[in-house]
Amino acid sequence: QVQLVQSGSEVKRPGASVKVSCESSGYTFTDYYIHWVRQAPGQGLEWMGWINLKTAATNFVQKFQGRVTMTRDTSISTAYMELTRLRSDDTAVYYCARGTALVPGVTDYWGQGTLVTVSS
Amino acid sequence: DIVMTQSPDSLAVSLGERATISCKSSQNILYSSNNKNYLAWYQQKPGQPPKLLIYWASTRESGVPDRFSGSGSGTDFTLTISSLQAEDVAVYYCQQYYGSPRELTFGGGTKVEIK
Repeated sequence: QVQLVQSGSEVKRPGASVKVSCESSGYTFTDYYIHWVRQAPGQGLEWMGWINLKTAATNFVQKFQGRVTMTRDTSISTAYMELTRLRSDDTAVYYCARGTALVPGVTDYWGQGTLVTVSS
Repeated sequence: DIVMTQSPDSLAVSLGERATISCKSSQNILYSSNNKNYLAWYQQKPGQPPKLLIYWASTRESGVPDRFSGSGSGTDFTLTISSLQAEDVAVYYCQQYYGSPRELTFGGGTKVEIK
């Protein structure tokens, strides 16, 4: 069965960086996209961007330009999202989600989420 | 950017009754070349990641109960739960993917509770 398993919770100081991993199993990794979506405490969903797992091409929301990097390691079926220069308003649960094969903009499987807390 | 606006923010419905959620996009998300609306609906229960319910505005994902239905076209969309069950208590989000691959956006969410 398809599974996306994310790395554990992180606590970071303002200005630091965080790298969240998302390990996939149960499907052909390079046939899909991985999206990253975050959710601040008590708030709604915010799409951050995606990575094409075959080509490594990425696309993300303008607001994260210069701060976010999305990568993947096909040898271990794992995608990564790194966010730098963290601020307190980056405190959120970060999700990875698989874009469907037919419609990459629709996500059919999600990771369990990784809580990133930014606090001094 | 395409802005998605949901209403209401929350609603309370009696068990077995109908729940209706509205989602409006700031621009047309019906792609004329394939006549498809680039709109999905997700359900998120407390402490869980979102779950895909519907895509192409009205196509149910495999395994989703048929009490969930999506309708609408262009800029106005609706998610209907025909007979609310206790397990349907959740926050529901619409999401446009018309802007894909450049841009995806979610609505603000609608919390559904039992009256």
